[in-house]
Amino acid sequence: QSALTQPASVSGSPGQSITISCTGTSSDVGGYNYVSWYQQHPGKAPKLMIYDVSNRPSGVSDRFSGSKSGNTASLTISGLQAEDEADYYCSSYTGSSTPVVFGGGTKLTVL
Amino acid sequence: QVQLVESGGGVVQPGRSLRLSCAASGFTFSSYGMHWVRQAPGKGLEWVAVIWYDGSNKYYADSVKGRFTISRDNSKNALYLQMNSLRDEDTAVYYCARDNVGGAGYFFDYWGQGTLVTVSS
Repeated sequence: QSALTQPASVSGSPGQSITISCTGTSSDVGGYNYVSWYQQHPGKAPKLMIYDVSNRPSGVSDRFSGSKSGNTASLTISGLQAEDEADYYCSSYTGSSTPVVFGGGTKLTVL
Repeated sequence: QVQLVESGGGVVQPGRSLRLSCAASGFTFSSYGMHWVRQAPGKGLEWVAVIWYDGSNKYYADSVKGRFTISRDNSKNALYLQMNSLRDEDTAVYYCARDNVGGAGYFFDYWGQGTLVTVSS
């Protein structure tokens, strides 16, 4: 199972919106509505931000939103804040004997 | 509140073995699937293994299949990862993570703080 494809880096200014893409195949992202997104600050554990493509866990800001079209999922962060600077990873269920695949990660820089 | 605390990491020589543990609290451990996810230094997340809530199913990444064994003791609220024939490329922070349900792998809602395994001669 190949890793999902994410841009290595994205950047934006405070208050702006950014979108991170996550491209897979019909065997993972495109085949199931089980895409999740994780935020990871340096030296910290990942934190769930979006699950089932577009659902936010309790406590996650509504500035974070998710969507999917075909084999590509997206994470949008609106109203960028300094604390959003972190690495972001997408993940998808695959329905195979290796049921989980991650993206390579995207480093978000808030300028 | 949900807590996952990993332990057992350290420095180990190539070819040797190591056993990681993850102590769970704050939820009904026996109702949830559990995963191990690792992160090599400066690299991304890599899924390693999953065990279903009742231990009935276990799945592994190709990179560790045949060398690593995931297990759990629901009476002790504990998850384990037995790592044999360790290689340099197994060097990583190992996280235990809770599956949102029994073990399907839809998403991970809680993560531990991680334990560092360094394979080096």
